[in-house]
Amino acid sequence: DIQMTQSPSSLSASVGDRVTITCRASQTISSYLNWYQQKRGEAPKFLIYASSSLQSGVPSRFSGSGSGTDFTLTISSLEPEDFATYYCQQSYDFPYTFGQGTRLEF
Amino acid sequence: QVHLQESGPGLVKSSETLSLTCTVSGASINYYSWSWIRQSPGKGLEWIGYISTGGSTSYNPSLKSRVAISLDTSKNQFSLRVSSITVADTALYFCARHGLSGYGSHFDYWGPGSRVAVSS
Repeated sequence: DIQMTQSPSSLSASVGDRVTITCRASQTISSYLNWYQQKRGEAPKFLIYASSSLQSGVPSRFSGSGSGTDFTLTISSLEPEDFATYYCQQSYDFPYTFGQGTRLEF
Repeated sequence: QVHLQESGPGLVKSSETLSLTCTVSGASINYYSWSWIRQSPGKGLEWIGYISTGGSTSYNPSLKSRVAISLDTSKNQFSLRVSSITVADTALYFCARHGLSGYGSHFDYWGPGSRVAVSS
């Protein structure tokens, strides 16, 4: 299985901050990398596919980059509704696997 | 508007079989692939398996021998069965639709989740 490792596991930030979350794959996955946001008590929400393509309706303050084994999710200016847990997921090979999550908190 | 809704028992006895159904509205299950994903405190998000438009399946090797996913096109539903349930299968179970890009599948729509507890 391809292991996905996110860092940091948790991150304290404030409204207006720029934050970056890193996801590393245990082997090269080209750009087969997706990002999700999950708020407490809700299902994950799809944000970004193919490493850097924003899903329709997702605010432009979210961006993704990377290829190969190293990827980042950046939020350019945090809004109150962005405090949540973020997950990366590889779609390069079965079984699909997720990172362990990064909790973004005040 | 695409909507997915899981249904099933909230409590299952150890060694029995868990059955969950996902009812889809706003999209035909004939045109997309569909997955089951579960979430537990100990293991995070774990992909269980998927079924394609043609009924082909792929399962996570960690569960493969115990899992089956099927389609019911007449009801626009798909289902999950997990046999020989143990306490380790206690989790929140999600159904999700596959979106497609040039880089494999992503999960673009999710159900709210069905919480399953396993009693010994």
